[in-house]
Amino acid sequence: DAGVTQSPTHLIKTRGQQVTLRCSPKSGHDTVSWYQQALGQGPQFIFQYYEEEERQRGNFPDRFSGHQFPNYSSELNVNALLLGDSALYLCASSLGQLRSAQYFGPGTRLLVL
Amino acid sequence: AQSVAQPEDQVNVAEGNPLTVKCTYSVSGNPYLFWYVQYPNRGLQFLLKYITGDNLVKGSYGFEAEFNKSQTSFHLKKPSALVSDSALYFCAVRDVVGYSTLTFGKGTMLLVSP
Repeated sequence: DAGVTQSPTHLIKTRGQQVTLRCSPKSGHDTVSWYQQALGQGPQFIFQYYEEEERQRGNFPDRFSGHQFPNYSSELNVNALLLGDSALYLCASSLGQLRSAQYFGPGTRLLVL
Repeated sequence: AQSVAQPEDQVNVAEGNPLTVKCTYSVSGNPYLFWYVQYPNRGLQFLLKYITGDNLVKGSYGFEAEFNKSQTSFHLKKPSALVSDSALYFCAVRDVVGYSTLTFGKGTMLLVSP
């Protein structure tokens, strides 16, 4: 049973560029959440997708957008990259939105130069 | 607003000794509480959760956590530490009411010496 998978593992971009990160949830899970983890910090919630709709959003600008597909996989898009967007981006999946634990993927490390 | 505090940046313990990693929380209603562990260059691994019921929750790898509502705490414990337990530990909380987000603490680095 595959866990949460993310691609790519590492990415280097320059300021102003756009990036797309991908996530496949754990088998049986229908909810995907995205987090940004800056160096030395805990994960910060970006947004959550359920039934192909954004259900909740954290305090992130509109440059951060996402999508969930019918197979529950998800993408995170970041436009007009800033140096401060450099971080580990974590995808987490769960069954439903409330009681179940979220299971995290290994993350995508994004470096913006 | 909900929040989590992990008051110790680092906890040092000798192998074989008991360990405690502290966590306190703040939510408007009742909490769902979680502990995760992160190894270098890896994602977060789920250890245990408190939803309701017994205040002592047992999780993976011999870890357990005690929910204390009056002290709003959810400390992570293990009776006998292993060197391989050395990692970054995160406490997280979600309010039971509504569809609130999961809020993480800043993390506590656990170092277990041989």
